[in-house]
Amino acid sequence: NAGVTQTPKFRVLKTGQSMTLLCAQDMNHEYMYWYRQDPGMGLRLIHYSVGEGTTAKGEVPDGYNVSRLKKQNFLLGLESAAPSQTSVYFCASAETLNTGELFFGEGSRLTVL
Amino acid sequence: DAKTTQPTSMDCAEGRAANLPCNHSTISGNEYVYWYRQIHSQGPQYIIHGLKNNETNEMASLIITEDRKSSTLILPHATLRDTAVYYCIVRVTYNTDKLIFGTGTRLQVFP
Repeated sequence: NAGVTQTPKFRVLKTGQSMTLLCAQDMNHEYMYWYRQDPGMGLRLIHYSVGEGTTAKGEVPDGYNVSRLKKQNFLLGLESAAPSQTSVYFCASAETLNTGELFFGEGSRLTVL
Repeated sequence: DAKTTQPTSMDCAEGRAANLPCNHSTISGNEYVYWYRQIHSQGPQYIIHGLKNNETNEMASLIITEDRKSSTLILPHATLRDTAVYYCIVRVTYNTDKLIFGTGTRLQVFP
């Protein structure tokens, strides 16, 4: 039982390049979330999904796209990376928020030059 | 979405109780208050949550005021390993289900 796994853990991109962050969970959770955290700041919600095939926008969705084709995977895409997207990205999942606990991955550190 | 306000930082002596306040004056009647903490750059860790009654678990206690406009997280016997950033969060459930993090309180536990 690996919990929530994010890949890659580190990545350096040039401005304009594209990439996809993968979040995989093996807990059969319905809910999945992508957050970003900038230095000295709290987490900001980018996009989230309350079930397979569904996605919704969070607080800071611009410049990102997501897909939830399989229940266990939640992909975060950057079509044209910008330096402002340099951040640490956290994925999280929950069976339901009624139980309170959101399980987080270890984070993916992305640098855009 | 309801917002939370927390002090930027706090200190606490090891072995003493740490009381972390949070203001959420715009909270709606069906919105829960959650507390998470983040140690170094790890993913946040769930601590406790509540709606209007006080809650206690093995990690902490959560005291919510009667008007629900504020709450306090209590770590009864703080240890050095409790040094972390603590986030007070309101869960938004109207047409959605998400946790919106604020900037948190950096708790430093000293020997």
